[in-house]
Amino acid sequence: GQNIDQPTEMTATEGAIVQINCTYQTSGFNGLFWYQQHAGEAPTFLSYNVLDGLEEKGRFSSFLSRSKGYSYLLLKELQMKDSASYLCAVRGRTGGSYIPTFGRGTSLIVHP
Amino acid sequence: DTGVSQNPRHKITKRGQNVTFRCDPISEHNRLYWYRQTLGQGPEFLTYFQNEAQLEKSRLLSDRFSAERPKGSFSTLEIQRTEQGDSAMYLCASSSGTGSEKLFFGSGTQLSVL
Repeated sequence: GQNIDQPTEMTATEGAIVQINCTYQTSGFNGLFWYQQHAGEAPTFLSYNVLDGLEEKGRFSSFLSRSKGYSYLLLKELQMKDSASYLCAVRGRTGGSYIPTFGRGTSLIVHP
Repeated sequence: DTGVSQNPRHKITKRGQNVTFRCDPISEHNRLYWYRQTLGQGPEFLTYFQNEAQLEKSRLLSDRFSAERPKGSFSTLEIQRTEQGDSAMYLCASSSGTGSEKLFFGSGTQLSVL
């Protein structure tokens, strides 16, 4: 089975940098995703890592260490609209398929 | 590409009634997932289709839940004899099965069981 752990809530100031950590245990690791979810809306894709290292995409970067079962999402130049839940999802072996399993999400509050 | 569509957006029902939800995935996507989400939690996996074949079903899923994907296009999720604990957002997602296989989610169906 899969086990994913991420902080429940974080707060940060507009313009700052915030790092959201995710640790996981899984069988048959086949990729890690970060999704953003605003209240009352569907999750939207932010990033994908399958190999160790850093993936950068604009203000958002994601890092993966497979040996440590660890990832983080880095958000730079925070804006008020970045206030949302950030979901870490690990694709691992479920039965005969690879299925994304989600963490409980980290609620990020950005204040002025 | 019109995205993943789910209907209805909201459903209020009385305990014991049956409900059915529909999901229309992105047309070229052959993989379809159903998840359930409650407040303050991440999406919880329910079931997975590749084309018309239901390949995985969560062991936590009661036998009151059934899903179909006839002809490998739209999918339906039915809950029989609903219980108050079934109240949640039901999310459908699809993926292409290539590249990162990232999920595209629909807006969900919010179920309230009274």
